[in-house]
Amino acid sequence: SQTIHQWPATLVQPVGSPLSLECTVEGTSNPNLYWYRQAAGRGLQLLFYSVGIGQISSEVPQNLSASRPQDRQFILSSKKLLLSDSGFYLCAWSVGGAGEKLFFGSGTQLSVL
Amino acid sequence: GDSVTQMEGPVTLSEEAFLTINCTYTATGYPSLFWYVQYPGEGLQLLLKATKADDKGSNKGFEATYRKETTSFHLEKGSVQVSDSAVYFCAPPNTGNQFYFGTGTSLTVIP
Repeated sequence: SQTIHQWPATLVQPVGSPLSLECTVEGTSNPNLYWYRQAAGRGLQLLFYSVGIGQISSEVPQNLSASRPQDRQFILSSKKLLLSDSGFYLCAWSVGGAGEKLFFGSGTQLSVL
Repeated sequence: GDSVTQMEGPVTLSEEAFLTINCTYTATGYPSLFWYVQYPGEGLQLLLKATKADDKGSNKGFEATYRKETTSFHLEKGSVQVSDSAVYFCAPPNTGNQFYFGTGTSLTVIP
């Protein structure tokens, strides 16, 4: 069966420090991968999605970036965190195509202080 | 483009009360529709889905009927429990690779 792993579960970082969040999927090949952010009291914001290795689509301009070095690995990064980067980050995958559902990881709670 | 309009929260109910969370959609054709649930501190998980018009999705006592006449996919449960406290997301029709969600509806069930 397919599983998705996301870590760390919680992270406290100072302003200006770098960020690296990792997500891996097991049990499937060539998934579509997604990074979402959920700020307190707000909905899910799609940050990046990827339909294949090295293929990244950015939805919102910001100081975050994403990379997909392997088929089932998706990394969210920042060189210098801002206070506004605080939030709950969720990785997700789907098999791709219209009408398919999303499978979410357990999330990373990021607090930038 | 395809989208959903979901009832805003927060919603507070007493245990065993009836729940309805409204969701209407606009879409080209009749794509699959989904409800997701997010329990505190967790990621979203699929609650139920309907793949075609007039379909009824159901899971854990929740139901939603895909009504093409009213373009609606309202979530209902006859008797809510404290453990149903969560945020519920009506997912917009996915006709491509992007999935855009709204703010969801926060439900709190009090004993």
